[in-house]
Amino acid sequence: QQQVKQSPQSLIVQKGGISIINCAYENTAFDYFPWYQQFPGKGPALLIAIRPDVSEKKEGRFTISFNKSAKQFSLHIMDSQPGDSATYFCAASRRMGFQKLVFGTGTRLLVSP
Amino acid sequence: DGGITQSPKYLFRKEGQNVTLSCEQNLNHDAMYWYRQDPGQGLRLIYYSQIVNDFQKGDIAEGYSVSREKKESFPLTVTSAQKNPTAFYLCASSMGTGSNEKLFFGSGTQLSVL
Repeated sequence: QQQVKQSPQSLIVQKGGISIINCAYENTAFDYFPWYQQFPGKGPALLIAIRPDVSEKKEGRFTISFNKSAKQFSLHIMDSQPGDSATYFCAASRRMGFQKLVFGTGTRLLVSP
Repeated sequence: DGGITQSPKYLFRKEGQNVTLSCEQNLNHDAMYWYRQDPGQGLRLIYYSQIVNDFQKGDIAEGYSVSREKKESFPLTVTSAQKNPTAFYLCASSMGTGSNEKLFFGSGTQLSVL
């Protein structure tokens, strides 16, 4: 119940295309869903996050879509750029109390020029 | 310039040796964490600390030890009991209040076995 399943493991998208990464969870107590972006040799950095009171959150070219009934959420990167090439991790945690993030297994995105 | 500093960037361990990874933060965060990252796997929590002089085991604590004597510092020791220590180790911190869950990560330490 603590797992967050992420797919695909790797993704190649042409410049200007849409990158889509999906995650699913089982624990209905999860109510905070962030996405982290990691460049090679660096630590992850928070990209965007959503709480289940909204179905979508957009920040620039990055959008999180959230489906509470299906227990799924996804990251969409519009107009993908070579600079977006990185590994993306979804995560989930409970908002109340001291939170411990549960991470997905990561998606390596390559945006070809 | 606030942030988290991990050192060294690369570390090699000999058989039967204990090694210590350093993590220092100047963000005035109460909570600190150690994660292990293996290729093709997510980040797995080793230990975390909500406050000075207190820490809890995460999901994969066996073969590791930590201390939290100062708010700014949370060193991780990889002991000889950890039979598969080769991995990328990430230290992180957060405010720890529960109301702001953003994690700030260091740049990591790559540990390899000689």
